[in-house]
Formats: sequence, C-alpha cells, structure tokens
Amino acid sequence: DTAVSQTPKYLVTQMGNDKSIKCEQNLGHDTMYWYKQDSKKFLKIMFSYNNKELIINETVPNRFSPKSPDKAHLNLHINSLELGDSAVYFCASSQKTGGSTDTQYFGPGTRLTVL
Amino acid sequence: AQSVSQHNHHVILSEAASLELGCNYSYGGTVNLFWYVQYPGQHLQLLLKYFSGDPLVKGIKGFEAEFIKSKFSFNLRKPSVQWSDTAEYFCAVNARSTDKLIFGTGTRLQVFP
Repeated sequence: DTAVSQTPKYLVTQMGNDKSIKCEQNLGHDTMYWYKQDSKKFLKIMFSYNNKELIINETVPNRFSPKSPDKAHLNLHINSLELGDSAVYFCASSQKTGGSTDTQYFGPGTRLTVL
Repeated sequence: AQSVSQHNHHVILSEAASLELGCNYSYGGTVNLFWYVQYPGQHLQLLLKYFSGDPLVKGIKGFEAEFIKSKFSFNLRKPSVQWSDTAEYFCAVNARSTDKLIFGTGTRLQVFP
C-alpha cells in the first residue's frame, strides 16, 4: 500500500515548457506539502495546504502553482520552466494533532530535469 | 527565524564503528524534532522523532537520539553501524507554532565493510 505517491518519477523537459507533478496520499491526512531538494540535497518547503486551503507559500516564484482538488491530492504545476528548476520535488502529508503538525510522510520524489 | 545545522557533511566509517551525527537548531520556543534517512535513490523515511517526554528517543534500525534542551541539540547515535546504513541523514525541526518543517543540510554517511 503506497501511502504518498507521486507521478511521474522522472520528468525531462525543455526550458520554457509547462509541466505538472501529481501527488496523492491515502493516509487520510489533512495537510499536504511540496518540498524542493536541490543538487546539494538541501530540502526546502515550498507550499503547504490544509484541507485544500493554502497555508504556507515560501517565496516561490509565481510560475509555481499548487492545486488541491481535494484533501488527498496536491498537484504542482510549473509554467515556463527554467534551468534552475531542475531538482527533486517531494510531496509529503501529515495530520494535525492537538493543533500541532505531526510527522510528515514523504512521497518517492519526482526528479525534474530542465534542458 | 528557525534554522537547523548539521555539523558533519560527510562521514565515512567502517562497519561496527559507532556513529554520532550532530544537529543543532535555533528557535526559542517549543519544538518537535525529527531525524529522517534517505537511502540512495529513495524517499525520506522517518528514523525517529521527539515531541515530549523522555529526551532519549529510540527509533528504527537501532538508532537513537538525545534531545538536550540547554544545548538546542538533537544528536543521532548508533552504537554499531552496518553497510546498509549508508545513506543521507537529515535532522529537521518543526516549531509548535508553525507547520513548517525546517531541514538541516544533511549528512552523507558511507559505511565500508
């Protein structure tokens, strides 16, 4: 049983293209996240959604637009891709417990390469 | 602003050696603390976490970590490493007042047989 799944696993595309990455969680969690891991393995949060509502937006270019059709899905759409967007993108989900966010569970990652 | 620092960027050990990876954070309030592991080509998996209670936390695969509040530290330890522990290890901190999980820069551990 896959808890947090992402598609595609690999994405190779040309500069200037628009692409989407999908994320789904079957854990019943109400919060979902997108993280970017750069070539030096540094992980940084990009967005967080709670029950389809945007909670965190970390100074990400507006070429990146998350969309949450329901609380089990958080997709990431990227317009006008740039070389610097090449990275591994991780989706995660968690459940709020007593007002504090519990453990985040990560998806397998999507390796995006922009040529 | 919160930050997390991991002092060891790359650690090389022989099997059966003991491991300690440092993690310090800067935040004055109450925090939740985590260690995640990323095996080559795989996603992040939770090793252990500290929310409250006993500051010595035991996780999976024989790992443990100790929260020392006065030192703002949450170091990861394992008494005897195995080749299969070769991976990237990330310390992360989540301030109770926010939903943000702040990661350290990671420590690459290589264990040789």
